[in-house]
Amino acid sequence: SYELAQPPSVSVSQGQTASITCSGDKLGDRYVCWYQQKPGQSPVLIIYEDKKRPSGIPERFSGSNTGNTATLTISGTQSMDEADYYCQAWLSTTAGVFGGGTKLTVL
Amino acid sequence: EVQLVQSGAEVKKPGESLRISCKGSGYIFTNSWIGWVRQMPGKGLELMGVIYPGDSDTKYSPPFQGQVTISADKSISTAYVQWSSLKASDTAMYYCARLVSIDYGANYFDYWGQGTLVIVSS
Repeated sequence: SYELAQPPSVSVSQGQTASITCSGDKLGDRYVCWYQQKPGQSPVLIIYEDKKRPSGIPERFSGSNTGNTATLTISGTQSMDEADYYCQAWLSTTAGVFGGGTKLTVL
Repeated sequence: EVQLVQSGAEVKKPGESLRISCKGSGYIFTNSWIGWVRQMPGKGLELMGVIYPGDSDTKYSPPFQGQVTISADKSISTAYVQWSSLKASDTAMYYCARLVSIDYGANYFDYWGQGTLVIVSS
């Protein structure tokens, strides 16, 4: 079965750049999306098609995907960005896989 | 405005049956797949399966095949997931989400329900 690996936790100082990785076999051949989930809330889509941002998502969120690794980058990280982040890739139209999630701590 | 509104929290005993729901509005319900996602306490997101309300075509993720039944009633724009015999390990938050399915494979869930908490305890 296809698996996506994320680091369990990432820490970043406020105002600095955070990078969260998502690794999978030939992941660059697939499209990746990213979700943000804050405690007690539903997930929110923040990146789709590797690097596109839905309306209303701040420009400080960006994405890339090449080789075996997709990366979510948060520039100028703010305290409000503290959350869990999940990557997702699709093996077919209806078969999606989530990464295990990364807890972002803003120091 | 697209909305997915889920049914309320449930507390059940092991062995009992349960059906939870997800009602869509603000878009053509029959034209988009709906997915169900499980989140066990303190854990990550797991895709259970998806359903296309237009024709009730349903696909299950392997770990959930045979464990749950996903269905939809397009006449009332509502999707369901049901259990015939709950286990304590079914305790989790369950989310529905609308799937945007792109021909070239760039799928994603763009709208999510508020979640339904299911607690199974004797």
